Amino acid sequence: DAGVTQSPTHLIKTRGQQVTLRCSPKSGHDTVSWYQQALGQGPQFIFQYYEEEERQRGNFPDRFSGHQFPNYSSELNVNALLLGDSALYLCASSLAPGSNTIYFGEGSWLTVV
Amino acid sequence: QQPVQSPQAVILREGEDAVINCSSSKALYSVHWYRQKHGEAPIFLMILLKGGEQKGHDKISASFNEKKQQSSLYLTASQLSYSGTYFCGTANAGGTSYGKLTFGQGTILTVHP
Repeated sequence: DAGVTQSPTHLIKTRGQQVTLRCSPKSGHDTVSWYQQALGQGPQFIFQYYEEEERQRGNFPDRFSGHQFPNYSSELNVNALLLGDSALYLCASSLAPGSNTIYFGEGSWLTVV
Repeated sequence: QQPVQSPQAVILREGEDAVINCSSSKALYSVHWYRQKHGEAPIFLMILLKGGEQKGHDKISASFNEKKQQSSLYLTASQLSYSGTYFCGTANAGGTSYGKLTFGQGTILTVHP
């Protein structure tokens, strides 16, 4: 039973560039959420996708956008990268409705230089 | 609003016990506990739903005091493998539990031989 998988694992981008991160949810899960975790901090909720629509959004600018595909996989896009966007980006999946258990992937480490 | 965890850090010898607390100023629907080792994804430990229940597996257990909007994680007879940063994630009452968690700042637990 595959868990939550994310790619790429690590990447380095230059300020102003754009990045796309990918996530495949745990088998049987249809809800995907994205979190940003800065060094030494807890994860911060970016947004959540269910039935290919953004259902909830945290306090992040419009430079952060996403997409969910019919197979439940998801992408996170960040435009006009800033140095402060350097962080671990975590994808989490859950089963909706019903299950409260949320599983995280290994994350994508983004460094903006 | 972010839940508050205490203590910020704790150092133990193998076999000692520890308690980590998580407090919220908002009415909670559920509290989720995770452990994260350096450079790795947060690993799900357990979830507590409103109702004041206590759960546990192996030597790790947790309680949820709905009246006080507090949860505590109990680690007994600690092992070296317990080292890591512990996060509580909260879902507020009135919202959905579909993956939107607000995390505390984390508690760093170090277990020495």
